[in-house]
Amino acid sequence: DAMVIQNPRYQVTQFGKPVTLSCSQTLNHNVMYWYQQKSSQAPKLLFHYYDKDFNNEADTPDNFQSRRPNTSFCFLDIRSPGLGDAAMYLCATSRDEFGDYEQYFGPGTRLTVT
Amino acid sequence: RKEVEQDPGPFNVPEGATVAFNCTYSNSASQSFFWYRQDCRKEPKLLMSVYSSGNEDGRFTAQLNRASQYISLLIRDSKLSDSATYLCVVTFYTGNQFYFGTGTSLTVIP
Repeated sequence: DAMVIQNPRYQVTQFGKPVTLSCSQTLNHNVMYWYQQKSSQAPKLLFHYYDKDFNNEADTPDNFQSRRPNTSFCFLDIRSPGLGDAAMYLCATSRDEFGDYEQYFGPGTRLTVT
Repeated sequence: RKEVEQDPGPFNVPEGATVAFNCTYSNSASQSFFWYRQDCRKEPKLLMSVYSSGNEDGRFTAQLNRASQYISLLIRDSKLSDSATYLCVVTFYTGNQFYFGTGTSLTVIP
């Protein structure tokens, strides 16, 4: 019973070619997050949505954008991927704000930039 | 200074051993605490939440020390299947941010 689904699981894109990663959830959670995780590093929060309210981390490059058209779906757009953007991208949800509730992660999308 | 710090290890322990990890956090206003487990090239999965009074789930015990600002995870009778990276996560009252430690790598050896 998948609860947080990410597509595709593996994505290869060319340097500079826009790419969109998808996340959907069946938990009806209010908060959705996007993380970037590189090898042997902690997940790095890029941004999150509380319902429709978008919250960008101060150090997230402008190259990264996000959309949340409804409760269930959230997208990560990388406008011009560079080699340094190759990473695992994790989507997560939590029930509500203020960090009282644990996060549920999707299986991730592994992005390769050639 | 990082919000959350962990000893990255690696910890290599024999089967059946007891192993403990610590995680320190810098913000005294920290609200909630969690331990996640992440297998190689997989997503993090919640292992357990950490409550002020401490909590136990089978072979796993989590403790919180607010005065010294650290949380700990104790694994008893280690199994081969416990081999993974263990991430501590701390949240704050201000906003929806989850701060991850860099993770502690555990390998249980037959």
